Amino acid sequence: DAKTTQPTSMDCAEGRAANLPCNHSTISGNEYVYWYRQIHSQGPQYIIHGLKNNETNEMASLIITEDRKSSTLILPHATLRDTAVYYCIVRASGSARQLTFGSGTQLTVLP
Amino acid sequence: DAGVTQSPTHLIKTRGQHVTLRCSPISGHKSVSWYQQVLGQGPQFIFQYYEKEERGRGNFPDRFSARQFPNYSSELNVNALLLGDSALYLCASSLAATSGQETQYFGPGTRLLVL
Repeated sequence: DAKTTQPTSMDCAEGRAANLPCNHSTISGNEYVYWYRQIHSQGPQYIIHGLKNNETNEMASLIITEDRKSSTLILPHATLRDTAVYYCIVRASGSARQLTFGSGTQLTVLP
Repeated sequence: DAGVTQSPTHLIKTRGQHVTLRCSPISGHKSVSWYQQVLGQGPQFIFQYYEKEERGRGNFPDRFSARQFPNYSSELNVNALLLGDSALYLCASSLAATSGQETQYFGPGTRLLVL
């Protein structure tokens, strides 16, 4: 699975949009981009995933560049409860492969 | 609907002992994966089971073993515990291991402390 690069940490003001970038320049055509987050000492929470088109659900939006080498997770109106480590993971479709977690981005939402 | 459940939530053991951790997947999910998360790091893959068969194994010693039961619940066993086995052990379930159904949903984890 392709390796991802994320900033170590980011801050965001409460109520503003949080934009979390992820670089996956070696992504292959059959690899999806997954986002999870982990609030301190809890299990990771699935947020969203996509292949090439932008995706939106009740939690967030995922914007994938046309060349698929990078993506951005958008939390439209960040709250204090969104403070967490956010993991961007690239994973092949149709396989039983595990999720390979990197170090993620520590997002801190400030009041 | 109930999510992935794990038991126990916390556990303290001493070096050399054996531990069994349990996981119940989301209803209807047939695949279970186990991960180890050491403090300050991302989760690391240990095992994946689908339909009671091992489908993947991470880089962990033979002291780690697992199995999946007919009801799709799973156990993770660790023998001869070492101090370095202290970690949060996470279970994740997915509908299947095939395309479109492999999104993994995690339980709250079992925190193991080895003294």
